Amino acid sequence: GDKVKQSPSALSLQEGTNSALRCNFSIAATTVQWFLQNPRGSLINLFYLVPGTKENGRLKSTFNSKESYSTLHIRDAQLEDSGTYFCAAEAASGGNYKPTFGKGTSLVVHP
Amino acid sequence: NAGVIQTPRHKVTGKGQEATLWCEPISGHSAVFWYRQTIVQGLEFLTYFRNQAPIDDSGMPKERFSAQMPNQSHSTLKIQSTQPQDSAVYLCASSPGTGGHTQYFGPGTRLLVL
Repeated sequence: GDKVKQSPSALSLQEGTNSALRCNFSIAATTVQWFLQNPRGSLINLFYLVPGTKENGRLKSTFNSKESYSTLHIRDAQLEDSGTYFCAAEAASGGNYKPTFGKGTSLVVHP
Repeated sequence: NAGVIQTPRHKVTGKGQEATLWCEPISGHSAVFWYRQTIVQGLEFLTYFRNQAPIDDSGMPKERFSAQMPNQSHSTLKIQSTQPQDSAVYLCASSPGTGGHTQYFGPGTRLLVL
């Protein structure tokens, strides 16, 4: 099965509302990254996390390594938040830090 | 800082031809990653280098695909005898290191094999 599972796979939000995206891991993740792929296809890094929480503007992300999940909270969603959100987990193995990506959450924010 | 540079941005090849994709990482970054993205498979890891040395190529199809990093300023992904199923967006990313650093992605090369 998928080592990194993202949910939901798709989400539609009204402008100004809040929501949360989730990643569950079946690997012993040590770090997590969150990216946004915008409609032009560019992948933009949002967060790099060790266990704990980070916040940046309307976005907040938490990584709980003991329970093997990470969340990305979006507050006051704006039209420009639309795109596909990916999480990627690193599980160090003998110096190999290959990240494993989830399949993404496709977000559409509408007026 | 120009970010990660990938060339060409678009490439169309005929079945059986060779395709070479180029990546210039951010200056000073020691790790370079290659991924392939399709609608069906999503983002797939192909290979990565650290300080120009290949570390993990477990995602590379064993035949026809090869990657090199001859110097710290560029990496190439070569596909021999391209097939229609190789059509995808090929993404390169670099990071200041591994195990503690975020990745910065290039714009990708969209490869179409006819």
